[in-house]
Amino acid sequence: DQQVKQNSPSLSVQEGRISILNCDYTNSMFDYFLWYKKYPAEGPTFLISISSIKDKNEDGRFTVFLNKSAKHLSLHIVPSQPGDSAVYFCAASAGSSNTGKLIFGQGTTLQVKP
Amino acid sequence: EAGVTQFPSHSVIEKGQTVTLRCDPISGHDNLYWYRRVMGKEIKFLLHFVKESKQDESGMPNNRFLAERTGGTYSTLKVQPAELEDSGVYFCASSRDFYNSPLHFGNGTRLTVT
Repeated sequence: DQQVKQNSPSLSVQEGRISILNCDYTNSMFDYFLWYKKYPAEGPTFLISISSIKDKNEDGRFTVFLNKSAKHLSLHIVPSQPGDSAVYFCAASAGSSNTGKLIFGQGTTLQVKP
Repeated sequence: EAGVTQFPSHSVIEKGQTVTLRCDPISGHDNLYWYRRVMGKEIKFLLHFVKESKQDESGMPNNRFLAERTGGTYSTLKVQPAELEDSGVYFCASSRDFYNSPLHFGNGTRLTVT
């Protein structure tokens, strides 16, 4: 049972344009959401997070939007740069549980073309 | 500060052999997690330590997997005996708090069982 889904395995955008990565979840108990970026042969690196009490969080070129009613979140990268090319994972956790374990999506491979 | 360190980076073993993976978390991080990514799929939770205690081991596949965290510092994950389906990348992560706190990942150990 996939509780966090990233339905687009890959995305290709031109340098300078906007990249939009999407994520859907099914568990209404999730209240904390994160995006991680992963380069080959490296571990995932934390990018940005959002609590369920907010609907938007921004950090430089990265903005995460949360739509609780639709159980959907998205990551916007503006402007996209070739160095942003990586696999992006969406993750979620439930504060009501007694552990901070994260449930990850399958990942979306972003390619930013120069 | 030093990041999460995992050893070895790669391990190739034959079916039926034993392998032990090691993780050194970031100093001061009481929470330590093990995750696994198989065949390019999602990153799946295995277990969570708080200091030396197992807080949640619901993701451990079976009793061939044994995790320990001696003295609440480094952790080991032993697979005995290894099976072909155990192949994948094993990630360790740590965090200071377990609620609404990003996990910091190591670069992983790529395990290949032949």
